[in-house]
Amino acid sequence: DAKTTQPTSMDCAEGRAANLPCNHSTISGNEYVYWYRQIHSQGPQYIIHGLKNNETNEMASLIITEDRKSSTLILPHATLRDTAVYYCIVRSHNTDKLIFGTGTRLQVFP
Amino acid sequence: GAVVSQHPSWVICKSGTSVKIECRSLDFQATTMFWYRQFPKQSLMLMATSNEGSKATYEQGVEKDKFLINHASLTLSTLTVTSAHPEDSSFYICSASLGSNYNEQFFGPGTRLTVL
Repeated sequence: DAKTTQPTSMDCAEGRAANLPCNHSTISGNEYVYWYRQIHSQGPQYIIHGLKNNETNEMASLIITEDRKSSTLILPHATLRDTAVYYCIVRSHNTDKLIFGTGTRLQVFP
Repeated sequence: GAVVSQHPSWVICKSGTSVKIECRSLDFQATTMFWYRQFPKQSLMLMATSNEGSKATYEQGVEKDKFLINHASLTLSTLTVTSAHPEDSSFYICSASLGSNYNEQFFGPGTRLTVL
């Protein structure tokens, strides 16, 4: 599986956009980029995923660079409830397994 | 969205006893379920992949005789921690998927195990 690199932690003011970067320089052509988040002491929550086109849903937007070596998760208007650890995961094309890295701890402050 | 439950949400047991954790998909049939372990301030570590009606596939370094996994139906998988010791204290999380590639996994709320 391709590995991902994320900053250990980030801060964001409430109401502002949170931009969480992820590097996945060894991603293969048919591997998707998935984003999950984990609020303290809960199970991970699916956010969004994409292959090469930008994606948007009710939770977030995913911007994938043209070379697919990096991506950015955007929370357009962060709230205090968005404080969590955000995991960027490249999913193997031949299994269902998700291999979690260390993630980014996002702290949204008032 | 699909809901996955775990029972119990937390458990405290004495060293040497066995503990069973259940993972259920409430509104869908899960061909595949996964079990993870998470120590404090660490990431989730995949322990095993469980397919209904077949033996679980364990990740390297995970003892299959210590962590018994049973996936007897399309809505239930169980993880039994046998002869638990304090170092087995952890947050155990399951997830379920429909089984096809690229389908999202739905995670349970986790079970916190404390072994005294």
